[in-house]
Amino acid sequence: SQQGEEDPQALSIQEGENATMNCSYKTSINNLQWYRQNSGRGLVHLILIRSNEREKHSGRLRVTLDTSKKSSSLLITASRAADTASYFCATAGSNDYKLSFGAGTTVTVRA
Amino acid sequence: DAMVIQNPRYQVTQFGKPVTLSCSQTLNHNVMYWYQQKSSQAPKLLFHYYDKDFNNEADTPDNFQSRRPNTSFCFLDIRSPGLGDAAMYLCATSRVRGAFNEQYFGPGTRLTVT
Repeated sequence: SQQGEEDPQALSIQEGENATMNCSYKTSINNLQWYRQNSGRGLVHLILIRSNEREKHSGRLRVTLDTSKKSSSLLITASRAADTASYFCATAGSNDYKLSFGAGTTVTVRA
Repeated sequence: DAMVIQNPRYQVTQFGKPVTLSCSQTLNHNVMYWYQQKSSQAPKLLFHYYDKDFNNEADTPDNFQSRRPNTSFCFLDIRSPGLGDAAMYLCATSRVRGAFNEQYFGPGTRLTVT
């Protein structure tokens, strides 16, 4: 069943601006992952943050995790047109082999 | 480049006519997954193979079957497609089964049922 919920559902920003999206989940997790999906394509893994980590960076991406609030955020800095995509959070429990995906945030970056 | 390949990218089938989607990987990963994704929704796991061990999700309809003849290939068979089965089907792999493994996705097959 779907565990994560992303907010907002859709986001439109100007090139060069930052984009922030949030993910909330219901049960305890082992780690949380973010994926990107370009229109009509498969998902691409962006970043994994473990439950004992609070923040992680990868290039222009910054992910935070607050396990007390059961929430995570993904920040894309200095956005580019190529960042236009849907972004999904996915959670994995301690004994889980599978990922539970949220419904995603659709980000449009205007040139 | 190591990758996950899905064929065909687009498949049109008739209501009730069996269809097979294929997935291959050059990553030599032990685990292969099949997801169904409908428009603007989260990917939904149908089943996965851990090596040759098949694992069905409890809510996956009987209409969906899978085969994994070897490490590299995995097939999704839809025995009698209904209009509600129109979706994007995503194949993914991971090196081993476990919470910390990231999954590598193929580009997907978009299935249309007429």
